[in-house]
Amino acid sequence: EVQLVESGGGLVKPGGSLRLSCAASGFTFSSYNMNWVRQAPGKGLEWVSSITTSSNYIYYADSVKGRFSISRDNAKNSVYLQMNSLRAEDTAVYYCARGLVDDPIDFWGQGTLVTVSS
Amino acid sequence: AIQLTQSPSSLSASVGDRVTITCRASQGISSALAWYQQKPGKAPKLLIYDVSTLESGVPSRFSGSGSGTDFTLTISSLQPEDFATYYCQQFNSYPYTFGQGTKLEIK
Repeated sequence: EVQLVESGGGLVKPGGSLRLSCAASGFTFSSYNMNWVRQAPGKGLEWVSSITTSSNYIYYADSVKGRFSISRDNAKNSVYLQMNSLRAEDTAVYYCARGLVDDPIDFWGQGTLVTVSS
Repeated sequence: AIQLTQSPSSLSASVGDRVTITCRASQGISSALAWYQQKPGKAPKLLIYDVSTLESGVPSRFSGSGSGTDFTLTISSLQPEDFATYYCQQFNSYPYTFGQGTKLEIK
């Protein structure tokens, strides 16, 4: 059974940092690009970042570029999102999601809530 | 960045109705268009990819069509479990983008 389990969310003050983790199981992790997508409360989906299978290519939304950093460890079947200089507008549920190269996101985790508030 | 505009933003319909949701891209995206369904408190679920290919396990009442910049998702006969929010997404180029969503509600 394919599983993506996010962790690391919580309450953080503006300007603070958090590191999200996503543990994958049930599929060949190293064959998939991995993504982070977020959804602010009551709002739509916003793609945040993607990392290719061997970490050769990394992409970020303009809204997080320079503040967030994605990485992966294929030996641990895990992907991470380091979030620095957090702002109130970063408050959202963060989903970890997989996709094959040149294919859409085909499976999502259940998400972890990040709240940025003083 | 490629912008995706969905219409309508919300839609009221009855069980058995046929409904169509439109997604327009700001530039051509070839066939790199997917549709997702999201229910409250749940993660999105892939319904259709490559404009018209049904994901495994998705009922055949869902269909997708279009080309270039204009795409549609059609539900041929609404079932109670179809009331949800639907999003289109382009995966032609980074940054990936989503439409703003269409909330399908029971009339």
